[in-house]
Amino acid sequence: DAKTTQPNSMESNEEEPVHLPCNHSTISGTDYIHWYRQLPSQGPEYVIHGLTSNVNNRMASLAIAEDRKSSTLILHRATLRDAAVYYCILMSGTYKYIFGTGTRLKVLA
Amino acid sequence: EAGVVQSPRYKIIEKKQPVAFWCNPISGHNTLYWYLQNLGQGPELLIRYENEEAVDDSQLPKDRFSAERLKGVDSTLKIQPAELGDSAVYLCASSLGQPTDTQYFGPGTRLTVL
Repeated sequence: DAKTTQPNSMESNEEEPVHLPCNHSTISGTDYIHWYRQLPSQGPEYVIHGLTSNVNNRMASLAIAEDRKSSTLILHRATLRDAAVYYCILMSGTYKYIFGTGTRLKVLA
Repeated sequence: EAGVVQSPRYKIIEKKQPVAFWCNPISGHNTLYWYLQNLGQGPELLIRYENEEAVDDSQLPKDRFSAERLKGVDSTLKIQPAELGDSAVYLCASSLGQPTDTQYFGPGTRLTVL
Protein backbone atom coordinates (compact mmCIF):
# COMPACT_ATOMS: atom_id res chain seq x y z
CA ASP A 1 0.00 0.00 0.00
CA ALA A 2 1.31 3.42 -0.94
CA LYS A 3 2.25 5.73 1.92
CA THR A 4 1.79 9.44 2.51
CA THR A 5 3.98 11.97 4.31
CA GLN A 6 2.58 15.00 6.10
CA PRO A 7 4.04 17.60 8.46
CA ASN A 8 3.29 16.81 12.09
CA SER A 9 1.76 20.19 12.83
CA MET A 10 0.88 23.56 11.32
CA GLU A 11 -0.51 26.83 12.59
CA SER A 12 -2.76 29.35 10.93
CA ASN A 13 -4.42 32.58 11.86
CA GLU A 14 -8.18 32.69 11.89
CA GLU A 15 -9.80 33.93 8.67
CA GLU A 16 -6.66 33.21 6.64
CA PRO A 17 -6.19 30.46 4.05
CA VAL A 18 -4.40 27.26 5.04
CA HIS A 19 -2.46 24.98 2.72
CA LEU A 20 -1.90 21.49 4.11
CA PRO A 21 0.64 19.52 2.05
CA CYS A 22 0.89 15.80 1.48
CA ASN A 23 3.58 13.83 -0.34
CA HIS A 24 2.75 10.49 -1.92
CA SER A 25 5.64 9.73 -4.26
CA THR A 26 4.73 6.02 -4.63
CA ILE A 27 1.16 6.67 -5.71
CA SER A 28 -0.15 4.37 -8.42
CA GLY A 29 -2.29 5.42 -11.36
CA THR A 30 -5.51 4.14 -9.84
CA ASP A 31 -5.05 5.48 -6.29
CA TYR A 32 -7.54 8.09 -5.16
CA ILE A 33 -6.36 10.81 -2.77
CA HIS A 34 -8.70 11.19 0.20
CA TRP A 35 -8.57 13.74 2.97
CA TYR A 36 -10.20 13.30 6.34
CA ARG A 37 -10.06 15.36 9.47
CA GLN A 38 -10.58 14.37 13.08
CA LEU A 39 -11.83 16.84 15.62
CA PRO A 40 -11.16 16.16 19.32
CA SER A 41 -13.18 13.24 20.68
CA GLN A 42 -14.79 12.51 17.33
CA GLY A 43 -14.31 9.99 14.55
CA PRO A 44 -12.61 10.99 11.30
CA GLU A 45 -14.76 13.12 9.02
CA TYR A 46 -14.58 13.04 5.22
CA VAL A 47 -13.33 16.29 3.70
CA ILE A 48 -12.63 15.76 0.01
CA HIS A 49 -11.11 13.35 -2.49
CA GLY A 50 -9.78 13.38 -6.03
CA LEU A 51 -7.95 11.35 -8.65
CA THR A 52 -6.20 13.67 -11.10
CA SER A 53 -8.02 16.97 -11.37
CA ASN A 54 -8.35 19.65 -8.72
CA VAL A 55 -11.57 19.39 -6.72
CA ASN A 56 -13.69 21.86 -4.82
CA ASN A 57 -16.49 21.37 -2.34
CA ARG A 58 -18.12 23.42 0.38
CA MET A 59 -15.48 22.44 2.91
CA ALA A 60 -12.23 22.75 1.01
CA SER A 61 -10.29 22.52 -2.23
CA LEU A 62 -7.87 19.81 -3.25
CA ALA A 63 -4.98 20.68 -5.53
CA ILE A 64 -3.23 17.69 -7.09
CA ALA A 65 0.20 18.01 -8.67
CA GLU A 66 0.48 17.16 -12.32
CA ASP A 67 2.67 14.11 -11.56
CA ARG A 68 0.29 13.19 -8.69
CA LYS A 69 3.19 12.74 -6.29
CA SER A 70 1.88 15.44 -4.00
CA SER A 71 -1.35 17.20 -3.14
CA THR A 72 -2.49 20.15 -1.06
CA LEU A 73 -5.66 20.56 0.94
CA ILE A 74 -6.74 24.19 0.95
CA LEU A 75 -9.02 25.66 3.58
CA HIS A 76 -9.95 29.04 2.17
CA ARG A 77 -10.70 30.79 5.46
CA ALA A 78 -9.66 28.94 8.60
CA THR A 79 -11.96 29.14 11.59
CA LEU A 80 -11.42 27.93 15.13
CA ARG A 81 -13.67 24.97 14.31
CA ASP A 82 -11.17 23.82 11.69
CA ALA A 83 -8.63 22.95 14.38
CA ALA A 84 -8.20 19.21 13.95
CA VAL A 85 -5.86 16.47 12.76
CA TYR A 86 -5.94 16.24 8.97
CA TYR A 87 -5.17 12.92 7.31
CA CYS A 88 -4.14 12.43 3.70
CA ILE A 89 -4.86 8.86 2.57
CA LEU A 90 -4.35 6.96 -0.66
CA MET A 91 -7.25 4.73 -1.56
CA SER A 92 -6.77 1.94 -4.06
CA GLY A 93 -9.13 -0.85 -4.92
CA THR A 94 -8.49 -2.64 -1.65
CA TYR A 95 -10.95 -0.83 0.65
CA LYS A 96 -8.01 -0.19 2.94
CA TYR A 97 -7.39 3.25 4.35
CA ILE A 98 -3.81 3.56 5.61
CA PHE A 99 -3.84 6.43 8.07
CA GLY A 100 -0.56 8.05 9.03
CA THR A 101 -0.21 10.35 12.02
CA GLY A 102 -1.67 13.29 10.07
CA THR A 103 -1.11 17.04 10.48
CA ARG A 104 -2.38 18.71 13.61
CA LEU A 105 -3.73 22.12 12.58
CA LYS A 106 -3.84 24.84 15.20
CA VAL A 107 -5.91 27.92 14.40
CA LEU A 108 -5.01 31.10 16.25
CA ALA A 109 -7.68 33.63 17.11
CA GLU B 1 -29.95 11.05 7.74
CA ALA B 2 -28.49 9.44 10.83
CA GLY B 3 -24.78 8.80 10.87
CA VAL B 4 -22.93 5.80 12.22
CA VAL B 5 -24.03 5.12 15.78
CA GLN B 6 -21.75 3.56 18.38
CA SER B 7 -22.29 2.66 21.97
CA PRO B 8 -21.14 3.02 24.61
CA ARG B 9 -19.10 6.17 24.11
CA TYR B 10 -16.90 5.40 27.09
CA LYS B 11 -16.11 2.20 28.93
CA ILE B 12 -13.87 1.56 31.93
CA ILE B 13 -13.15 -2.02 32.93
CA GLU B 14 -10.69 -4.03 34.99
CA LYS B 15 -8.16 -6.13 33.12
CA LYS B 16 -9.23 -9.69 32.35
CA GLN B 17 -12.88 -8.61 32.12
CA PRO B 18 -14.85 -8.94 28.86
CA VAL B 19 -16.14 -5.92 26.97
CA ALA B 20 -18.35 -5.41 23.92
CA PHE B 21 -18.88 -2.49 21.56
CA TRP B 22 -21.89 -1.99 19.34
CA CYS B 23 -22.15 -0.26 15.96
CA ASN B 24 -25.12 0.59 13.75
CA PRO B 25 -23.99 1.72 10.29
CA ILE B 26 -25.68 4.18 7.95
CA SER B 27 -28.78 2.65 6.41
CA GLY B 28 -28.01 0.96 3.12
CA HIS B 29 -24.28 0.69 3.70
CA ASN B 30 -23.18 -2.87 2.98
CA THR B 31 -19.60 -2.49 4.12
CA LEU B 32 -18.74 -2.09 7.79
CA TYR B 33 -15.31 -1.53 9.33
CA TRP B 34 -13.90 -1.69 12.83
CA TYR B 35 -10.78 0.37 13.53
CA LEU B 36 -8.50 0.73 16.53
CA GLN B 37 -6.98 4.11 17.30
CA ASN B 38 -4.20 4.45 19.83
CA LEU B 39 -3.41 7.81 21.36
CA GLY B 40 -1.62 10.10 18.92
CA GLN B 41 -1.92 7.63 16.04
CA GLY B 42 -4.20 7.28 13.06
CA PRO B 43 -6.87 4.55 13.00
CA GLU B 44 -5.84 1.01 12.05
CA LEU B 45 -8.22 -1.44 10.45
CA LEU B 46 -9.21 -4.47 12.53
CA ILE B 47 -11.89 -6.07 10.39
CA ARG B 48 -14.08 -5.36 7.37
CA TYR B 49 -17.50 -6.86 6.65
CA GLU B 50 -19.33 -7.14 3.37
CA ASN B 51 -22.92 -7.64 4.53
CA GLU B 52 -22.62 -10.42 7.14
CA GLU B 53 -19.32 -11.83 5.86
CA ALA B 54 -15.98 -10.89 7.40
CA VAL B 55 -13.89 -10.46 4.26
CA ASP B 56 -10.76 -9.00 5.86
CA ASP B 57 -9.92 -9.91 9.44
CA SER B 58 -6.19 -10.25 8.97
CA GLN B 59 -5.42 -7.55 11.56
CA LEU B 60 -7.83 -8.81 14.21
CA PRO B 61 -6.07 -10.47 17.17
CA LYS B 62 -8.21 -13.55 17.16
CA ASP B 63 -7.01 -14.95 20.48
CA ARG B 64 -9.00 -12.33 22.37
CA PHE B 65 -10.96 -10.29 19.83
CA SER B 66 -14.10 -11.40 18.03
CA ALA B 67 -16.70 -9.65 15.92
CA GLU B 68 -20.05 -10.44 14.40
CA ARG B 69 -22.55 -8.90 12.02
CA LEU B 70 -25.26 -11.52 12.05
CA LYS B 71 -27.95 -9.88 9.91
CA GLY B 72 -25.66 -7.74 7.82
CA VAL B 73 -26.67 -4.54 9.59
CA ASP B 74 -25.39 -3.75 13.07
CA SER B 75 -22.21 -5.27 14.45
CA THR B 76 -20.58 -6.11 17.76
CA LEU B 77 -16.87 -6.19 18.57
CA LYS B 78 -15.85 -8.10 21.67
CA ILE B 79 -12.66 -8.40 23.68
CA GLN B 80 -12.27 -11.26 26.13
CA PRO B 81 -10.26 -10.99 28.27
CA ALA B 82 -9.21 -7.34 28.06
CA GLU B 83 -5.57 -6.39 28.67
CA LEU B 84 -4.05 -3.08 29.72
CA GLY B 85 -2.75 -2.53 26.18
CA ASP B 86 -6.26 -2.64 24.77
CA SER B 87 -6.95 0.84 26.10
CA ALA B 88 -7.73 2.83 22.96
CA VAL B 89 -10.58 4.24 20.90
CA TYR B 90 -12.55 1.73 18.84
CA LEU B 91 -14.06 3.25 15.74
CA CYS B 92 -16.75 1.88 13.47
CA ALA B 93 -17.19 3.06 9.89
CA SER B 94 -19.45 2.16 7.00
CA SER B 95 -19.54 2.67 3.25
CA LEU B 96 -21.75 1.78 0.31
CA GLY B 97 -19.66 -1.09 -0.95
CA GLN B 98 -17.24 -0.08 -3.67
CA PRO B 99 -13.51 -0.09 -2.83
CA THR B 100 -13.05 3.65 -3.16
CA ASP B 101 -16.36 4.72 -1.64
CA THR B 102 -16.13 7.24 1.17
CA GLN B 103 -16.07 5.74 4.64
CA TYR B 104 -18.24 7.41 7.28
CA PHE B 105 -17.05 7.07 10.84
CA GLY B 106 -18.89 6.92 14.12
CA PRO B 107 -17.73 8.86 17.21
CA GLY B 108 -15.93 5.85 18.63
CA THR B 109 -15.84 4.08 21.98
CA ARG B 110 -13.04 5.05 24.32
CA LEU B 111 -11.96 2.00 26.31
CA THR B 112 -9.89 2.27 29.45
CA VAL B 113 -8.56 -0.93 30.97
CA LEU B 114 -7.37 -0.64 34.57
